[in-house]
Amino acid sequence: DGGITQSPKYLFRKEGQNVTLSCEQNLNHDAMYWYRQDPGQGLRLIYYSQIVNDFQKGDIAEGYSVSREKKESFPLTVTSAQKNPTAFYLCASSSPGRQETQYFGPGTRLLVL
Amino acid sequence: RKEVEQDPGPFNVPEGATVAFNCTYSNSASQSFFWYRQDCRKEPKLLMSVYSSGNEDGRFTAQLNRASQYISLLIRDSKLSDSATYLCVVNVGAGNMLTFGGGTRLMVKP
Repeated sequence: DGGITQSPKYLFRKEGQNVTLSCEQNLNHDAMYWYRQDPGQGLRLIYYSQIVNDFQKGDIAEGYSVSREKKESFPLTVTSAQKNPTAFYLCASSSPGRQETQYFGPGTRLLVL
Repeated sequence: RKEVEQDPGPFNVPEGATVAFNCTYSNSASQSFFWYRQDCRKEPKLLMSVYSSGNEDGRFTAQLNRASQYISLLIRDSKLSDSATYLCVVNVGAGNMLTFGGGTRLMVKP
């Protein structure tokens, strides 16, 4: 079955620690996105990538980093510079010519210890 | 002013009721419009696109008013399973980025 997977489902971060969230898709989509969702709020774009080996900052990129070495994978690192990382992180992808319709993974909940 | 604004609710309605949500957007250059549904602690899923002529999918009807810059979603004969948060989503066309509203929470009661 085609789809987007994210791991882990829950992640705990200690102060000063970098953590990496995984996102993999087998939909053959070129574009991939990372969003952050805080309770009761809409999704905010962190980073996006339209093609392999290229990515751009979204609205709230500070404290985050990404890579896009493979079409299928778009990992997000939450660095220690992100002072308020507790949130629900959603990865999405979209197909060429239909980039306005995005398919989401199940999300990762990040909590700070 | 937020780019996409929604009443957060919750809207509490009995089964079988008709309920409508509105959403306003600030960028007049917006090109595409959508409603996504998000269940509690789950990922958003596309419910329907919104076209200028209005469109219907079973019990769901979406309307777009470009002049007033608002989008609506009407749900008829509400079911318990309709309980969710409904996200209004706008594509302003710049790199096909989507802008999400904060969502409207619907709770359908027996």
